[in-house]
Amino acid sequence: QSALTQPASVSGSPGQSITISCTGTSGDVGAYNYVSWYQQHPGKAPKLMIYDVSNRPLGVSNRFSGSKSGNTASLTISGLQTEDEADYYCSSYTSGSTYVFGTGTKVTVL
Amino acid sequence: QVQLVESGGGLVKPGGSLRLSCAASGFTFSDYYMSWIRQAPGKGLEWISYMSSSGSTIYYADSVKGRFTISRDNAKNSLYLQMKSLRAEDTAVYYCVRQPDSWGQGTLVTVSS
Repeated sequence: QSALTQPASVSGSPGQSITISCTGTSGDVGAYNYVSWYQQHPGKAPKLMIYDVSNRPLGVSNRFSGSKSGNTASLTISGLQTEDEADYYCSSYTSGSTYVFGTGTKVTVL
Repeated sequence: QVQLVESGGGLVKPGGSLRLSCAASGFTFSDYYMSWIRQAPGKGLEWISYMSSSGSTIYYADSVKGRFTISRDNAKNSLYLQMKSLRAEDTAVYYCVRQPDSWGQGTLVTVSS
């Protein structure tokens, strides 16, 4: 199972919006609405930001939103803040009944 | 609140074995699928295995199939990962995860001679 494809880095200024893409195949992202997004700060465990494509867990800011079109899922962060600077990973359930993560995206707040 | 505490990591020689444990609290452990996910130093996340709430359904990533065994004891609220035939590329922080929303702090496994 190959990793889902994410851009290595995305940057934006405070207050701007950015979007991170996550491209898979018809056997994972395209097949199921089980895409999650995780935020990871250095030295910390990942934190769930979005599950089932577009749902936010309790306590996650509504500045984070998720969507999907075909084999590509997206995470949008609006009103970018300095604390959003972190690594972000997508994850999808697959047709092999396994899970696969994305390659990861480093978000930099300029 | 949900707590997942991993233990059992350490330094092991190539070809060796190690057993990781995860102690769960703050939720009904027997109701949830549980996973092990790892992260090599400076690298991305890699899902390696999950087990259903009853233990009847188990899946592994190809990279660990035949070498790693996941198990759980619902009476002890614990998840385990038995690792054998360890390789240098298994060096990583191993996370216990309540799918998909809660992660432990991880335990470091280093495979080196």
